[in-house]
Amino acid sequence: GDSVTQMEGPVTLSEEAFLTINCTYTATGYPSLFWYVQYPGEGLQLLLKATKADDKGSNKGFEATYRKETTSFHLEKGSVQVSDSAVYFCALNRDDKIIFGKGTRLHILP
Amino acid sequence: DAGVIQSPRHEVTEMGQEVTLRCKPISGHNSLFWYRQTMMRGLELLIYFNNNVPIDDSGMPEDRFSAKMPNASFSTLKIQPSEPRDSAVYFCASTKNRGQPQHFGDGTRLSIL
Repeated sequence: GDSVTQMEGPVTLSEEAFLTINCTYTATGYPSLFWYVQYPGEGLQLLLKATKADDKGSNKGFEATYRKETTSFHLEKGSVQVSDSAVYFCALNRDDKIIFGKGTRLHILP
Repeated sequence: DAGVIQSPRHEVTEMGQEVTLRCKPISGHNSLFWYRQTMMRGLELLIYFNNNVPIDDSGMPEDRFSAKMPNASFSTLKIQPSEPRDSAVYFCASTKNRGQPQHFGDGTRLSIL
């Protein structure tokens, strides 16, 4: 069945460092891909999305490109801030449902 | 627009008691999802509704769990009787159209003593 695999955390970086969180997926067809973020004590929020191959989603300095050839949707940010500390979930849609990865916890040190 | 509203935010109760969690989806959204989040198992889909009809309840862990959606603006998730292993954060989410991103509530943190 469809699945999402993302790098295990926690990931700890210093402020202003470059961030990459890897995500690969297994799916039939061409699902839409998402990154969600969960801040402490809150629900998941959509961070960015891409609906077809080679699309690049971007928001708040984060970017991810839908790579069909490598079935990947890696999340990147050029310069992270302490406020980016959160749990990040990669996800794909399948019919009515969204299939989530297990999440990657990110800690940014000042 | 108001987001997905869940109540209560926190619930602490003793095992064996009935627990009812509530959710109000975003107006105009026609799909509603209930999730459970724990450290051990991550985010699990329990059940979802489309136009108030349950479509897939394969994630409901046991018969102790039940969910209803009597109208487009309200849903409940009930656990009876509750057990300590039900302790988790329960999220409700809604979406307008198939395949669109889901909008999550802030969750109910449930502790069963």
